Amino acid sequence: AQSVTQLDSQVPVFEEAPVELRCNYSSSVSVYLFWYVQYPNQGLQLLLKYLSGSTLVKGINGFEAEFNKSQTSFHLRKPSVHISDTAEYFCAVRETGANNLFFGTGTRLTVIP
Amino acid sequence: NAGVMQNPRHLVRRRGQEARLRCSPMKGHSHVYWYRQLPEEGLKFMVYLQKENIIDESGMPKERFSAEFPKEGPSILRIQQVVRGDSAAYFCASSVGRAGPDTQYFGPGTRLTVL
Repeated sequence: AQSVTQLDSQVPVFEEAPVELRCNYSSSVSVYLFWYVQYPNQGLQLLLKYLSGSTLVKGINGFEAEFNKSQTSFHLRKPSVHISDTAEYFCAVRETGANNLFFGTGTRLTVIP
Repeated sequence: NAGVMQNPRHLVRRRGQEARLRCSPMKGHSHVYWYRQLPEEGLKFMVYLQKENIIDESGMPKERFSAEFPKEGPSILRIQQVVRGDSAAYFCASSVGRAGPDTQYFGPGTRLTVL
């Protein structure tokens, strides 16, 4: 059975500081990996995705993530956060051949001025 | 290109009433997914549909919930005889195809409150 673990439910960080949001997954088959962002009272917006190839994936708004197969991780990073990055971030996996995305419980990033 | 559209954005129902949630996929997308987000939780898959077909309803509660995606018009998620535990945000997503890499694009959600 697949699972997605986002280890930190809340991450406060000062403006212009770097941030890493952690995501680990487990699956018996190959997966595709995604990070979505949800701003208050809005839907989910795709930040980036890993399908194959280079393990370092760059997304929108200056975010990037690195796929580590041996550690089954897909951590999200940004070198310098802005106030506007305050939001909920969801890691998701989709097993090859599966119909749906499987989401983690989310990490609430709060950027402090 | 308009994104995924959902309406209403907010819906209030009393226990025992019916709730109808609508989803119009992005132009060119023929695959629709419904997810539910309970407070303080991640999204949970409910059902996957193509036009006139339910492909995977493994996440749907066995009773009171149904979904359709007719040949014409939006996809509908219907909840009969709502209970307080149905209060949640319901998100619809669409994709071009079914293959795994295809990105699912999400709508803004419908927030259902059951009084």
